[in-house]
Amino acid sequence: KQEVTQIPAALSVPEGENLVLNCSFTDSAIYNLQWFRQDPGKGLTSLLLIQSSQREQTSGRLNASLDKSSGRSTLYIAASQPGDSATYLCAADSSYKLIFGSGTRLLVRP
Amino acid sequence: DTAVSQTPKYLVTQMGNDKSIKCEQNLGHDTMYWYKQDSKKFLKIMFSYNNKELIINETVPNRFSPKSPDKAHLNLHINSLELGDSAVYFCASSQESLAGGPEETQYFGPGTRLLVL
Repeated sequence: KQEVTQIPAALSVPEGENLVLNCSFTDSAIYNLQWFRQDPGKGLTSLLLIQSSQREQTSGRLNASLDKSSGRSTLYIAASQPGDSATYLCAADSSYKLIFGSGTRLLVRP
Repeated sequence: DTAVSQTPKYLVTQMGNDKSIKCEQNLGHDTMYWYKQDSKKFLKIMFSYNNKELIINETVPNRFSPKSPDKAHLNLHINSLELGDSAVYFCASSQESLAGGPEETQYFGPGTRLLVL
């Protein structure tokens, strides 16, 4: 049974800092690994999707990596901004369903 | 234009009632999903439908009955509502990759906040 864990649960950083969010999963038989952002009281916004055959994906200041053999993914945010404050969720795609971690609540202080 | 829409946005009801939540996507996707986010913000898959056929049912009580009248709609009907059903319900959709398999990004609706009193 797939289980997804995210650490840290919460993170507070000053504006401009680079940061890394961690995600681990127990079953390496995944189609892809997805990172989402959720703002309070809102739905989920897709940030990056890494196919199982890929090692990383980049979008602007965001870079996500995937190491299937070790069951790990990281989301790197460069030059963080207050607008990056949100909950970040990773999810392993295991055949027609996403298994989510519990999220990392990020606060970027001005 | 809203890609994945849900109605209603908020739903407050009494225990024992029956209620429905509607979901529509205008992305032309083949696969639609329902997820439940509990009070601890943990998101869990409930159902997956591909081309109107149920393919995933994650041990959801049979009081929950999804219905897909066409590929663009996946509605969720809940009978005999219980206090523990209070949560945010998210609908999502995705497109199968050309190679087969759900390898594309899932797009989520804004959520329906259900409160059972």
